[in-house]
Amino acid sequence: GAVVSQHPSWVICKSGTSVKIECRSLDFQATTMFWYRQFPKQSLMLMATSNEGSKATYEQGVEKDKFLINHASLTLSTLTVTSAHPEDSSFYICSARRNQETQYFGPGTRLLVL
Amino acid sequence: TQLLEQSPQFLSIQEGENLTVYCNSSSVFSSLQWYRQEPGEGPVLLVTVVTGGEVKKLKRLTFQFGDARKDSSLHITAAQPGDTGLYLCAGYNFNKFYFGSGTKLNVKP
Repeated sequence: GAVVSQHPSWVICKSGTSVKIECRSLDFQATTMFWYRQFPKQSLMLMATSNEGSKATYEQGVEKDKFLINHASLTLSTLTVTSAHPEDSSFYICSARRNQETQYFGPGTRLLVL
Repeated sequence: TQLLEQSPQFLSIQEGENLTVYCNSSSVFSSLQWYRQEPGEGPVLLVTVVTGGEVKKLKRLTFQFGDARKDSSLHITAAQPGDTGLYLCAGYNFNKFYFGSGTKLNVKP
């Protein structure tokens, strides 16, 4: 399988601050990366599709101004949670698409907003 | 909306038993993936099935894609405690992956 990393693996921040999460594909180039959110004991919810060199595509109900996505290179996508609030606390997972029908996931980032 | 329903939601069995997890949809998918996820980690890809009726085996795990490419099953033979985890199916269409609701498996020693 391919290797995708995320950083940080966990973060605690105060309400109102912004948090940036990095997603890197380490052994292949990914023109497309995905950002998911997962609540405890639930499945993954797709937040947005990150496209290298262009704007991200957000799923319905996901605020693009709140969850800023930048895919500046073929190996790096970032998700910035702006003005974080306690309800943004969650497990955020990215994936990198290797080919048309295969994606590899990062280890996830646990965010806790106090 | 491309909904995928998994059943059962929870499964607790003894080591050595067999089990089957189902992933059903009313939508046709161009491919389907199965993942296993452990707490606090990202999902790990187990298999991708592409052709209707396709069967793939991965040691004690057998995956089948329905003939109509709307459903899939995962069968585990002689389950072991190391199989414990959240099993997720995901259908691929229109450049996106649509995840099932998940099946939480607990294999007791």
